[in-house]
Amino acid sequence: SAVISQKPSRDICQRGTSLTIQCQVDSQVTMMFWYRQQPGQSLTLIATANQGSEATYESGFVIDKFPISRPNLTFSTLTVSNMSPEDSSIYLCSVDGIETQYFGPGTRLLVL
Amino acid sequence: KNEVEQSPQNLTAQEGEFITINCSYSVGISALHWLQQHPGGGIVSLFMLSSGKKKHGRLIATINIQEKHSSLHITASHPRDSAVYICAPVYNFNKFYFGSGTKLNVKP
Repeated sequence: SAVISQKPSRDICQRGTSLTIQCQVDSQVTMMFWYRQQPGQSLTLIATANQGSEATYESGFVIDKFPISRPNLTFSTLTVSNMSPEDSSIYLCSVDGIETQYFGPGTRLLVL
Repeated sequence: KNEVEQSPQNLTAQEGEFITINCSYSVGISALHWLQQHPGGGIVSLFMLSSGKKKHGRLIATINIQEKHSSLHITASHPRDSAVYICAPVYNFNKFYFGSGTKLNVKP
C-alpha cells in the first residue's frame, strides 16, 4: 500500500497570489497524478507528473497556471498561480497501486 | 470522449437496506474503479474491476464489459456507509474518467 500526505491541508488565499501544494508518498512511484475537484463536482485530472521529465497536462490546463515539480520518486508539488475565486477547489494527488489507486487527503483551497 | 453516467445522483436509505448504484460508460476501457469519498474529502478506491464480480465484506461490484455497465451493491447498509460513491472507468491504463458521483445517506 501507499500512504500519501499533502501540505497544506487547507488554505485561504487572496486573488492574484500563488500557492504551492506538496505531495509526499511513502514509497517510490513512477507517476503521480494531480486532480482538481471543484465544489459539487467530480474530479478532473490536471496533469501527470513523471520524475525527470516535464509534466503532461490535460486539455484546459497549462503549465503557466499550474506549474508542477517532480524532483524525485516520492515527492511532487503543484503550484496554483495568479489565483482567482474560480480556483477554489480541493486539489488531490494520486498514485497507482496494484489493482487500486491511492489518493492523498486533499488540499482545500479557498480564494477570496 | 467517454461519457460516464451514474444513477441515482442522490440516495437516502434506511439502515439495513440493500443499495445499488449504477454506472454506464460509452467507450471501451481497460478497467473501472469504484471510489468512496467521505465528507472530509478523502477518497478510497473500493474496487478495481476488469471483468465479472468482486466482493469485499458487504460491498459487491460487478461489471459487464460488453454492455459497458457496472454496479456497486451494498448489503445491510449502515450509517457509516454514508459517502459519495464515484464510478471511474480507466482508459490508457492509468487515466480516469469520473462519474458525477452518487451521494448516499444511510439513516439509522
